[in-house]
Amino acid sequence: DAKTTQPPSMDCAEGRAANLPCNHSTISGNEYVYWYRQIHSQGPQYIIHGLKNNETNEMASLIITEDRKSSTLILPHATLRDTAVYYCIVAGNTGKLIFGQGTTLQVKP
Amino acid sequence: DAGVTQSPTHLIKTRGQQVTLRCSPKSGHDTVSWYQQALGQGPQFIFQYYEEEERQRGNFPDRFSGHQFPNYSSELNVNALLLGDSALYLCASSLWQGSEQYFGPGTRLTVT
Repeated sequence: DAKTTQPPSMDCAEGRAANLPCNHSTISGNEYVYWYRQIHSQGPQYIIHGLKNNETNEMASLIITEDRKSSTLILPHATLRDTAVYYCIVAGNTGKLIFGQGTTLQVKP
Repeated sequence: DAGVTQSPTHLIKTRGQQVTLRCSPKSGHDTVSWYQQALGQGPQFIFQYYEEEERQRGNFPDRFSGHQFPNYSSELNVNALLLGDSALYLCASSLWQGSEQYFGPGTRLTVT
């Protein structure tokens, strides 16, 4: 079973920031938080990952709480092309990713 | 860089048949993982190959087997196909076992 809990769906206005929450209260000390997204009928796309520090790359920012029990993925300026299913995954160094149901983000004009 | 490539794109098989799906990893990647994604569900981990050996395995029966070649490409074989094997099969590659994975477009398998 997935070790994360995400809302099933969210809406966001185009041009606004999209903030996607994820709970992972049973995360272990050596486990990372990964975010992937899947646009309809395509393979999942890696977005970002982190251990305990906040991370930022060209796609998104990842904010992890100090107790590491939850995190938020931030897409700073959502576009229609960001409409997708977003998966939050907790994983160690084995490379075994366990996907849950994810959050379906709908970006609206 | 072509990224992760998979073949074929689509495949239709009959119950009881066998199928082989192929994957070429992203340049520089030596670890390949396979996932099965049923309609409306998240991907499920099948197994991972590194140095031509199966390193991790998910909860899939022995009908699912794989192989990794010296050039790091990989095959997924499924024997005695069942209707429930109909799914999108995804291949992902990574620089090493625990690094971020890059997925291919998948192979859509339909079993009739």
